[in-house]
Amino acid sequence: DGGITQSPKYLFRKEGQNVTLSCEQNLNHDAMYWYRQDPGQGLRLIYYSQIVNDFQKGDIAEGYSVSREKKESFPLTVTSAQKNPTAFYLCASSIQGLDFYQPQHFGDGTRLSIL
Amino acid sequence: SQQGEEDPQALSIQEGENATMNCSYKTSINNLQWYRQNSGRGLVHLILIRSNEREKHSGRLRVTLDTSKKSSSLLITASRAADTASYFCATSLRGNEKLTFGTGTRLTIIP
Repeated sequence: DGGITQSPKYLFRKEGQNVTLSCEQNLNHDAMYWYRQDPGQGLRLIYYSQIVNDFQKGDIAEGYSVSREKKESFPLTVTSAQKNPTAFYLCASSIQGLDFYQPQHFGDGTRLSIL
Repeated sequence: SQQGEEDPQALSIQEGENATMNCSYKTSINNLQWYRQNSGRGLVHLILIRSNEREKHSGRLRVTLDTSKKSSSLLITASRAADTASYFCATSLRGNEKLTFGTGTRLTIIP
């Protein structure tokens, strides 16, 4: 079955440590996205990518970095510069239509906590 | 910044009743989408309505869009326990590939 796989499901970060969240999709989608969700709130866009080797900052990119070396993969690194990283992180993908407004398909998230 | 705001923030109804939740937004949109999120899971796309459409149906779901009032509503008819979830609206602006999500309505169906 096609879908998006995020791993790990739970992740703990120590002070000063960088951690990387994995996101893999086998839907053959061009566009991929990373969101952050805090308790009781909506989703905020961190980074997005429309094509391999290209990505753009979202609304809250500071303290995060991404890469898009393969169409299927869009890993997110939470760096030590992100002072409040505790949140639920969601990866999504969509077909890159000419009109852009396509539904997004989501993974089941990674919950990141500070040790 | 949040483009959409859902109302109410939380809603509890008896199984079998209809559930209505609303979304208001601030600027002109290209389309509006509704998503469902079960606790601890990712979002699932429910329905997309374009700016030139006024109403759309999908199974027990009915979505309306009023661009003059910058608002949308999601109606779930004959609710079931499995409908318990958070529901989010998301808007897309013209010429912009990003979606902006609201803060969600938490729906609880009481068996």
